[in-house]
Amino acid sequence: EIVLTQSPGTLSLSPGERATLSCRASQSVSSSYLAWYQQKPGQAPRLLIYGASSRATGIPDRFSGSGSGTDFTLTIGRLEPEDFAVYYCQQYGISPRFTFGPGTKVDIK
Amino acid sequence: EVQLVESGGGLVKPGGSLRLSCAASGFTFNNAWMSWVRQAPGKGLEWVGRIKSKTDGGTTDYAAPVKGRFTISRDDSKNTLYLQMNSLKTEDTAVYYCATNLNYSYSYMDVWGKGTTVTVSS
Repeated sequence: EIVLTQSPGTLSLSPGERATLSCRASQSVSSSYLAWYQQKPGQAPRLLIYGASSRATGIPDRFSGSGSGTDFTLTIGRLEPEDFAVYYCQQYGISPRFTFGPGTKVDIK
Repeated sequence: EVQLVESGGGLVKPGGSLRLSCAASGFTFNNAWMSWVRQAPGKGLEWVGRIKSKTDGGTTDYAAPVKGRFTISRDDSKNTLYLQMNSLKTEDTAVYYCATNLNYSYSYMDVWGKGTTVTVSS
């Protein structure tokens, strides 16, 4: 079973700053099978990135994904007030089919 | 408008059963592979299980913690997904989301419902 680790656990930044979130897998993951989600309190998750680097429909271009193998990164170019949330990475595999990382909370400094 | 609406959550005693429903609209439900994902209070996301479309075999996959206790099914005539939960444990307490992918990619979920809350407590 592939385990995803996200760091940092919490990222305290100011609006306008750049956010860099890390997702590390315990084994190599196909880039096609790595996604990122944003979740705000009381809301369902929202897909941001799929295939490690492709933005989902309607996602602003300040969100970008990169990486391969065991190391993946979500970058938020300039934080807007609505970007303060929890971010999860997710990989698709054999068993279990979907694995999520523990999340990174981006909060206002 | 594409929409998934979960229902059926509530308070149930340990050992009890509950059936959740997820009503789909705005897309061709019978072609969709559907998943359930849960989130315990203050915790992260956990995939529960998935059902393929009938044209792709209609088979199911489950996460280890729920295998043998939970059953996913679908009624394409009603555009509805179900999650039958038996032998419930306190650790099954969570918000349960149904989710799918509209682009026929099985590796991520781009449409989510708002969730329904299940509380297992004596």
